[in-house]
Amino acid sequence: SYELTQPPSVSVSPGQTASITCSGDKLGGKYACWYQQKPGQSPVLVIFQDNKRPSGIPERFSGSNSGNTATLTISGTQAMDEADYYCQAWDSSTAVFGGGTKLTVL
Amino acid sequence: QLQLQESGPGLVKPSETLSLTCTVSGGSISSSSYYWGWIRQPPGKGLEWIGSIYYSGSTYYNPSLKSRVTISVGTSKNQFSLKLSSVTAADTAVYYCARGGIQLHNWFDPWGQGTLVTVSS
Repeated sequence: SYELTQPPSVSVSPGQTASITCSGDKLGGKYACWYQQKPGQSPVLVIFQDNKRPSGIPERFSGSNSGNTATLTISGTQAMDEADYYCQAWDSSTAVFGGGTKLTVL
Repeated sequence: QLQLQESGPGLVKPSETLSLTCTVSGGSISSSSYYWGWIRQPPGKGLEWIGSIYYSGSTYYNPSLKSRVTISVGTSKNQFSLKLSSVTAADTAVYYCARGGIQLHNWFDPWGQGTLVTVSS
């Protein structure tokens, strides 16, 4: 079965750039999306189709996808961005989620 | 604004069937040509897709759960439902419903608030 691999944790200082990776076989040939989940809340879509932002998502969130890796980048990270982040893609007719990355803003 | 709300028993006994309903407001399941999905999250763990259904009734299931899952749509009440049979403690999770896209291989947005289902005797 298809797998997406994310680092368990990433730390960043306020105002700096955070990068969260998601790796999967030939992932660049699929569309990737990203969700943000804060404690006790439902996931929120922050990036779809590799690099598109839904309305209401700040411009500091961006995405890319090439080769075997999709990347979520948060520029000028704020304390409010501290959360779990999940990547997701489709393999054939199965939706697959990455294991999640806890972003800590120190 | 589209909103989704999960409902159903919070406690299910082992070997029984888990049944949940997702009620959609602010939009129509039958007229919007979208996919609708169920996703779950065991306590302290990551997200797992359970399956998706098209407004017309076509279904797609996670192969790891396929033998136990049934997702159906009840257009008259703007609802879709999840049934998971022969549950065990491993099925204890927060269950979310979400709207998919106009194509199967799209993202999920928005999500319901989730409902915790505990499997225990």
